[in-house]
Amino acid sequence: AQSVTQPDIHITVSEGASLELRCNYSYGATPYLFWYVQSPGQGLQLLLKYFSGDTLVQGIKGFEAEFKRSQSSFNLRKPSVHWSDAAEYFCAATNPMFSGGYNKLIFGAGTRLAVHP
Amino acid sequence: DTAVSQTPKYLVTQMGNDKSIKCEQNLGHDTMYWYKQDSKKFLKIMFSYNNKELIINETVPNRFSPKSPDKAHLNLHINSLELGDSAVYFCASRAPSGSLGEQFFGPGTRLTVL
Repeated sequence: AQSVTQPDIHITVSEGASLELRCNYSYGATPYLFWYVQSPGQGLQLLLKYFSGDTLVQGIKGFEAEFKRSQSSFNLRKPSVHWSDAAEYFCAATNPMFSGGYNKLIFGAGTRLAVHP
Repeated sequence: DTAVSQTPKYLVTQMGNDKSIKCEQNLGHDTMYWYKQDSKKFLKIMFSYNNKELIINETVPNRFSPKSPDKAHLNLHINSLELGDSAVYFCASRAPSGSLGEQFFGPGTRLTVL
């Protein structure tokens, strides 16, 4: 079955420290991959996406993610975290074989990021 | 100029009532979705519509009935509300078929059933 796993439920970092949030996927073929961020009481905002090509993708707010096929991973990174980055982060995937309404997002369980001043 | 909007943002109601949530997108997309986020923040798809046609119904109880009057709107009606229906419901839309478009999400509707 298709699945997305985020091993870390909760991560705390100090402001200015680097960050890496882990994401692993299990799909029959390489899926399209996404990272979304949800601030408290807010909707989901897309940070970045990977479809094909360059395995290091840049996103908004200084985030980047690296796709590693051999590890079935798509980890999110940021070199220096700001207090405003405290939020819930979701990794998600879709099956590229499906289009239109058949194309659904499978989400990981989310990682809650807390930032210490 | 909101891309995907939902009303209401908060909905508090009693068990057994019937309620509706509305969603509208102004992105010109032809595919729309409903996702449910439970108390543990887990997100799961409920329905998808493409050009007003129901595509995905992810084993959701038939108390939930989506309706898409046109490509820009997807509403969710819930009959006989139960305590377990308490959640945040997100609407999303996606660019036309064949593109690599990501899904854009609305702000969510927090439903509380008492």
